[in-house]
Amino acid sequence: AQSVTQLDSQVPVFEEAPVELRCNYSSSVSVYLFWYVQYPNQGLQLLLKYLSGSTLVESINGFEAEFNKSQTSFHLRKPSVHISDTAEYFCAVRRRNTGKLIFGQGTTLQVKP
Amino acid sequence: NAGVTQTPKFRILKIGQSMTLQCTQDMNHNYMYWYRQDPGMGLKLIYYSVGAGITDKGEVPNGYNVSRSTTEDFPLRLELAAPSQTSVYFCASSYSRGSSGGGETQYFGPGTRLLVL
Repeated sequence: AQSVTQLDSQVPVFEEAPVELRCNYSSSVSVYLFWYVQYPNQGLQLLLKYLSGSTLVESINGFEAEFNKSQTSFHLRKPSVHISDTAEYFCAVRRRNTGKLIFGQGTTLQVKP
Repeated sequence: NAGVTQTPKFRILKIGQSMTLQCTQDMNHNYMYWYRQDPGMGLKLIYYSVGAGITDKGEVPNGYNVSRSTTEDFPLRLELAAPSQTSVYFCASSYSRGSSGGGETQYFGPGTRLLVL
């Protein structure tokens, strides 16, 4: 069975500081990996995803994540955060050729001025 | 396109009552999903559908039923509401090409907040 663990439930950080949100997964087969973001009182939006190829993937708003197969990790990073990045972030994994997305517990990123 | 729409936005139910949560998408997606979100627990898949007339159970299907008579609509039915079903419910949809699928993006609705007292 697959599982996803987000190692931090809350990450407080000051504006313009770097941040890393950690995600580890367990699966015995090849998977697709995703990061979704949920702003207050909204649904989830895709931030970025890894399907194949380059292990470093980037989003349009400065986030990046690196797929590390040996460590079964997909950590999310941003070199300089903004107040507007305050949200809940979910890591998710999906076995290839299936319809089921398994989510982690979520990490709340709190950016302080 | 409106994307994925859900109604109602908020509802209070008494124990034992029934209700249907509505979900509609206008993107001609073949896959649709229902999730529930509980604090600190992430999202759990309740049911999903790979096309009209086809549904399957997710991680937490007990106490819920679904149907998929059209491509656009995927209602979620609660027959006998229980306090354990207090949650935020999200509907999502995606387009999959079948055997090569799984990597596509899921698009989420704004959610329905349900309180069972």
